[in-house]
Amino acid sequence: AQTVTQSQPEMSVQEAETVTLSCTYDTSENNYYLFWYKQPPSRQMILVIRQEAYKQQNATENRFSVNFQKAAKSFSLKISDSQLGDTAMYFCAFMSTSTQGGSEKLVFGKGTKLTVNP
Amino acid sequence: DTGVSQDPRHKITKRGQNVTFRCDPISEHNRLYWYRQTLGQGPEFLTYFQNEAQLEKSRLLSDRFSAERPKGSFSTLEIQRTEQGDSAMYLCASSHNPEGQPQHFGDGTRLSIL
Repeated sequence: AQTVTQSQPEMSVQEAETVTLSCTYDTSENNYYLFWYKQPPSRQMILVIRQEAYKQQNATENRFSVNFQKAAKSFSLKISDSQLGDTAMYFCAFMSTSTQGGSEKLVFGKGTKLTVNP
Repeated sequence: DTGVSQDPRHKITKRGQNVTFRCDPISEHNRLYWYRQTLGQGPEFLTYFQNEAQLEKSRLLSDRFSAERPKGSFSTLEIQRTEQGDSAMYLCASSHNPEGQPQHFGDGTRLSIL
C-alpha cells in the first residue's frame, strides 16, 4: 500500500518570503499522480498543484512550484512571495493509476499547518 | 460549475441513531469519492463510484456504513447505529475522465455523536 509522509507538522513564514513544504511517498509503481491540496481553516479543500510522475518537468502554478524527485520519491512544494491568504493546512496526496490495478483514490499525508505572519 | 455540494453541513446526533449524508457532484463528473477526516489528520478514503457502480470500498467502511449513487448523479452515505468513533468530517469529491484528474471537494459534513 502506498504511504505519504509529511514530516513538518507546522511551519511559519513571513509575508513575502519563500517557504518549502516537504513530502515523501512510498510506492512500487512507476506511473502515478501527485497533488498538493490546501485546506484553509473551516473551509473547503482546494487543489494547489498537480504532477504527473511520467513528466520530468516540475509543475508550476503562479507562486506555487514543486520539486519532484522521482528516484528519491520526494515531492516538495515551494510557495514564493507568501501571502496572508496562504495560511492553511497543506496536504500532499498520491494517486495510483487504474491501469496498474490501483484505485484512483487519493492517499493523503497528515498535513503541514502553514502560518504566514504579517 | 457550481462545485460539489454536501448536505447537511453539520449533524449532531445521539449514539445509536442512523444518519444519512448527501453529496451532489459537479454535473459532468462521473467519478465520486467519499473520504473521512478526523481532527489533525488527512482525509482517509472510504469509497469510490464510477457512474452508478461502486468500484472500491475501504476496510474503514464497516457493515454499518453504506453508500449509493443510484442514477450516477448524487450520492448518499448512511451510517447505521452511530458510535462515538464515527465523529468526523465526511468529505465528498468528484472528478471526470480521463484518469488522474484532480478531485474537487465539497465543504464536508461534520458529524458529532453525543
